[in-house]
Amino acid sequence: KNEVEQSPQNLTAQEGEFITINCSYSVGISALHWLQQHPGGGIVSLFMLSSGKKKHGRLIATINIQEKHSSLHITASHPRDSAVYICAVMGAQKLVFGQGTRLTINP
Amino acid sequence: ETGVTQTPRHLVMGMTNKKSLKCEQHLGHNAMYWYKQSAKKPLELMFVYSLEERVENNSVPSRFSPECPNSSHLFLHLHTLQPEDSALYLCASSQSYRTQDEQYFGPGTRLTVT
Repeated sequence: KNEVEQSPQNLTAQEGEFITINCSYSVGISALHWLQQHPGGGIVSLFMLSSGKKKHGRLIATINIQEKHSSLHITASHPRDSAVYICAVMGAQKLVFGQGTRLTINP
Repeated sequence: ETGVTQTPRHLVMGMTNKKSLKCEQHLGHNAMYWYKQSAKKPLELMFVYSLEERVENNSVPSRFSPECPNSSHLFLHLHTLQPEDSALYLCASSQSYRTQDEQYFGPGTRLTVT
């Protein structure tokens, strides 16, 4: 079993829908990252959080340390949000990555 | 522009070739990382350099040899690779080698070993 599990692995939705991607982890962490990877391969950091909730535009990330769970929400989804979203947790001095969630938003 | 550049973006090499991947960061960061991303697998950390010293080597085969001549540049020297080494190789940097520092990624080098 991976230390970081994401669900769903693949998600297809229509433009405008509310999107939720989940991340569960089994190790103690100091921080959790949400990353976005576009088809060309480049990775962009969306959020880094260790407690509570953060919001940036249409993106919201939450974390529950006690339950070892984080969610990434996208409101009013758009085709340009289509990408792979990766959860990564900072354990003992290194990032451990989930397998990613491939999101496709259809017009 | 992420501030982290990688060259080449694509590389095809035979198993007997020797090649190098280059990473450069323009962010004034002190830590640099090499990651490997194989198809349908999570990102795997390969090497970490902090202030030009290697601080982590995650059981990477010796056919991969990193070099960090200064805090802005990171190389990955490749020799006698295997087809299973075909993957996307990503470089990243962060302000320091600390758990809370955000990492900035380059666009990656897509490597194919024939």
